[in-house]
Amino acid sequence: ILNVEQSPQSLHVQEGDSTNFTCSFPSSNFYALHWYRWETAKSPEALFVMTLNGDEKKKGRISATLNTKEGYSYLYIKGSQPEDSATYLCALHNAGGTSYGKLTFGQGTILTVHP
Amino acid sequence: NAGVTQTPKFQVLKTGQSMTLQCAQDMNHNSMYWYRQDPGMGLRLIYYSASEGTTDKGEVPNGYNVSRLNKREFSLRLESAAPSQTSVYFCASSEGTGAPYEQYFGPGTRLTVT
Repeated sequence: ILNVEQSPQSLHVQEGDSTNFTCSFPSSNFYALHWYRWETAKSPEALFVMTLNGDEKKKGRISATLNTKEGYSYLYIKGSQPEDSATYLCALHNAGGTSYGKLTFGQGTILTVHP
Repeated sequence: NAGVTQTPKFQVLKTGQSMTLQCAQDMNHNSMYWYRQDPGMGLRLIYYSASEGTTDKGEVPNGYNVSRLNKREFSLRLESAAPSQTSVYFCASSEGTGAPYEQYFGPGTRLTVT
């Protein structure tokens, strides 16, 4: 079973603050790293799918970077707004053996943005 | 497009009862997945179907069976429900598994086994 770790587990910030959190994963047999946003009472929605070392993706105020050699990805939110409050999940798509084709999810970072 | 739909939204079962969770997608996706979500555990893969006619075990398959009825539909069956199967179940679909396609999730089924 692959170990995908997210930190911190939860985060409280004030509106307007910028914030970031981390996803760590085993770097061997890397294929892709997914980020999902999961709002309460809704279902997870994809933010980014990243495949290349050094990849950087951006969607509005949210961006992500990827380091496949050392096995981590950062998600950044610039100028947090209350509507950014959600659980942010990362998921590893591994190319090795029986893992191929499956996503292994981290436990998520719960972000709360206070007005 | 409805995307991924799941039925029922909520269900309460007694230990030993059986039930089938239904999932359908209208995006012409090849691959479909069943996950369970428990507090502090993240999403864990139960079973998946890479393409119509194939199914494979995920991380936590014990106590479950699946059927890929056709390209649109993928059902999850609990033959003899146990309290440990109390969870929220999510179905997802993607274009395929051989490339880093994003997954699209259904609204979830909240199951309680007493």
